[in-house]
Amino acid sequence: EDQVTQSPEALRLQEGESSSLNCSYTVSGLRGLFWYRQDPGKGPEFLFTLYSAGEEKEKERLKATLTKKESFLHITAPKPEDSATYLCAVTQYGQNFVFGPGTRLSVLP
Amino acid sequence: SQTIHQWPATLVQPVGSPLSLECTVEGTSNPNLYWYRQAAGRGLQLLFYSVGIGQISSEVPQNLSASRPQDRQFILSSKKLLLSDSGFYLCAWNPGRTGNTIYFGEGSWLTVV
Repeated sequence: EDQVTQSPEALRLQEGESSSLNCSYTVSGLRGLFWYRQDPGKGPEFLFTLYSAGEEKEKERLKATLTKKESFLHITAPKPEDSATYLCAVTQYGQNFVFGPGTRLSVLP
Repeated sequence: SQTIHQWPATLVQPVGSPLSLECTVEGTSNPNLYWYRQAAGRGLQLLFYSVGIGQISSEVPQNLSASRPQDRQFILSSKKLLLSDSGFYLCAWNPGRTGNTIYFGEGSWLTVV
C-alpha cells in the first residue's frame, strides 16, 4: 500500500531560523511528488512538483529536493508569513494522489 | 488560465438532511476531477475521482455519492447526512496526463448538527 509520512508533525521556528521538513514515501514507480502550502480554512496551494531523484526546485525562501525514498522542503530565513501547514503528496499513475498528514509550521517574529 | 470554483463555502446542516456540493473547472477540457475530505487536524482523504463524464470511482464506502453530469462539473451529494460527515470538503482537478499536478478549490466547510 502506498504511504506518505511527514515529520515533524509541528515545527516552531524563530524568524530567520532555517530548517527542513521531511516527506517519506513508499510507492513503486513514482510519477511525481508534490508539495503544497495550506493556510487555515483554505484549499492547498501548489508549490512544487518533483519527478526524479536528484531534482531540486526553488521558490523564494523554499527549496524542495527529492531522493529515491524521501523529499525535503528546506526553508531558509523564514518569515512569519511562511506559517502554514505544508503537505506532501505522491502519485503512481497520475490519477490517484496520496497525501501525507502535513507539517504545521509556525514562524515567530 | 484554469480556475476552479467550489460552493457553498460553508454550510450547517441537520442530521438526516440532504447535501449537495458543486464544483466547476474553467479553462480546460476533460480534466480528472476529485473530491477530498479533510477532518480537523488530519490529512486529505480521497472520496471520489472521475476521469470523464459519468465515470466515478469511489475510494471510501459511505453515505456520500458523486456525479459528473458535464465535463467540467463535479457534484458531491448525500441523501441523509450523518454527524460523522462534518469536515472540510475539497474539490480538485488535474489535466489528466500521468504525473500532472493536482489543483484545489477553496473548500467547503460542512457542519452537521
